[in-house]
Amino acid sequence: AQSVTQLGSHVSVSEGALVLLRCNYSSSVPPYLFWYVQYPNQGLQLLLKYTTGATLVKGINGFEAEFKKSETSFHLTKPSAHMSDAAEYFCAVSEEDGNNRLAFGKGNQVVVIP
Amino acid sequence: DGGITQSPKYLFRKEGQNVTLSCEQNLNHDAMYWYRQDPGQGLRLIYYSQIVNDFQKGDIAEGYSVSREKKESFPLTVTSAQKNPTAFYLCASSGMAQEQFFGPGTRLTVL
Repeated sequence: AQSVTQLGSHVSVSEGALVLLRCNYSSSVPPYLFWYVQYPNQGLQLLLKYTTGATLVKGINGFEAEFKKSETSFHLTKPSAHMSDAAEYFCAVSEEDGNNRLAFGKGNQVVVIP
Repeated sequence: DGGITQSPKYLFRKEGQNVTLSCEQNLNHDAMYWYRQDPGQGLRLIYYSQIVNDFQKGDIAEGYSVSREKKESFPLTVTSAQKNPTAFYLCASSGMAQEQFFGPGTRLTVL
């Protein structure tokens, strides 16, 4: 089974500063990769995804992520944090067994400091 | 509008009681999933179904049961055998693209 690592359960960032959330996975083959965002008491919303092709992926709300095969990483960035970015962020990776399942990281709770 | 609906939004259960959480989708997706979310633990897969009348256990299936009689519906029953059922439950569905679409969730509390 896939393993997805997101370091730092809580991440504080100042308004206007760079947002960087790290995601590493364990797959030995190129997976499908996803970042989701969750606001309090709501479901998850897709921010962006990598399937094939260009390794720099742009998503909604100004976020982007880069797939680096050699580092088995898919870090999420946003150049300038807004107060509305305060939420929980989950990295997810497709399982290798072809059963359409995703493995999720434990999430990063982002706090934006005014 | 296409999407996934879950009901109820909040649910309270007494000790020893079975409860059923509803999940409906109109996205024409074949696959559906149930996750449990606890603070700091991410999402853990309870059950999933890739096609009508078929489903598989996920990582934490004990104390839960599901059915998939219709493509649109995938209800989850939390049985009395689940010793710690208080959590946020999320339903999702996916089509060919592997991307999963999520419902708004049901928060279950045991009294």
